[in-house]
Amino acid sequence: DGGITQSPKYLFRKEGQNVTLSCEQNLNHDAMYWYRQDPGQGLRLIYYSQIVNDFQKGDIAEGYSVSREKKESFPLTVTSAQKNPTAFYLCASSSQMQGSYGYTFGSGTRLTVV
Amino acid sequence: AQKVTQAQTEISVVEKEDVTLDCVYETRDTTYYLFWYKQPPSGELVFLIRRNSFDEQNEISGRYSWNFQKSTSSFNFTITASQVVDSAVYFCALMAGFQKLVFGTGTRLLVSP
Repeated sequence: DGGITQSPKYLFRKEGQNVTLSCEQNLNHDAMYWYRQDPGQGLRLIYYSQIVNDFQKGDIAEGYSVSREKKESFPLTVTSAQKNPTAFYLCASSSQMQGSYGYTFGSGTRLTVV
Repeated sequence: AQKVTQAQTEISVVEKEDVTLDCVYETRDTTYYLFWYKQPPSGELVFLIRRNSFDEQNEISGRYSWNFQKSTSSFNFTITASQVVDSAVYFCALMAGFQKLVFGTGTRLLVSP
């Protein structure tokens, strides 16, 4: 079945460490997105990519980095510069031709800093 | 700029009650799309409905119905005869001018037996 796979489901990080969240899709979608969800704040866009080897900052990109070397993959690195990384992270994808049909979401990764 | 407001942070109802979740949006674009997503405790966002700005027809799907009114920039969602399985966080979202999807802050619905 086509879909988006995010791993791991739960992730713990020590302060000062970088950590990478995985996002893989087999929907042949062109665009991919990373959102951060905090209680009471909805979903905020971190980074997005509309084509391989290209990506743009979203509303809260500071302290995060991404790469898009393959169409299927869009990993997110939470760096030590991110002051408050504990949150729920959602990856999504959409077809360039049918972006107005909305996004398909993964099941999320819950990151906790210990 | 695009903005979505979901003023209801949390709603609690008893099973079989009807409940309406409000959504108000802002955009200057004449072409836009409105969405509702459901987020169950598992975390994944589940697509419920998409409506474009040129179609103001209300829609009904089983116990779910949506009321789109451009005059008040609202896209409200009603669940009839709510069930415990409806307990979730519901997000309204807007895509205007083929830009990125912008979400409201969500409404947590708790349906008790």
